[in-house]
Amino acid sequence: SYELTQPPSVSVSPGQTARITCSGDALPKQYAYWYQQKPGQAPVLVIYKDSERPSGIPERFSGSSSGTTVTLTISGVQAEDEADFYCQSADSSGTYVVFGGGTKLTVL
Amino acid sequence: QVQMVQSGAEVKKPGASVKVSCKASGYTFTSYNMHWVRQAPGQGLEWMGIINPSGGSTNYTQKFQGRVTMTRDTSTSTVYMELNGLRSEDTAVYYCATSTVTTLALGYWGQGTLVTVSS
Repeated sequence: SYELTQPPSVSVSPGQTARITCSGDALPKQYAYWYQQKPGQAPVLVIYKDSERPSGIPERFSGSSSGTTVTLTISGVQAEDEADFYCQSADSSGTYVVFGGGTKLTVL
Repeated sequence: QVQMVQSGAEVKKPGASVKVSCKASGYTFTSYNMHWVRQAPGQGLEWMGIINPSGGSTNYTQKFQGRVTMTRDTSTSTVYMELNGLRSEDTAVYYCATSTVTTLALGYWGQGTLVTVSS
């Protein structure tokens, strides 16, 4: 079955830039989406279609794509950004949705 | 505003079935697909499947095929997810979430329903 691979954890100091990667063979063909999830809460969409930002999401969240890897970038990280982040995409046929394993962002 | 309200927590015994509901409001019910995603304690997100509320067509991930059924009631703008043959590994929070028919972006989520499977 198709898999998306994320690093388990990323740590940054406040004000620095955090980059979270997600790799998958079908990413050149399928869009990627990113979600932020804080403890006890439902996930929140922060990036869609690789690099689009929903209304209400701070500009410090951005997304990019290169080949089989997509990247979520958080510029000027704030303490409130500490959360789990998940990438989401679909298999090459677009039939089945898959999530990455998640990355825990720690703000030091 | 768009809102999905899910049914309350459930405790089930192994082998039983559970049916979770998700009532949508604030938008045209048949215009958005509905997905079900689950999250076991301390684990990541797992996609279970999708239902098109307009025609009722479904697509389930292979892991749950034969064990899950997603249905909808357009008269009440409610979707249902029924999972059969419960085992302890099915203990999780189950979420419904919407996407447009043209993208897979899960823009709106229900609050989640905790299903606990225990003897």
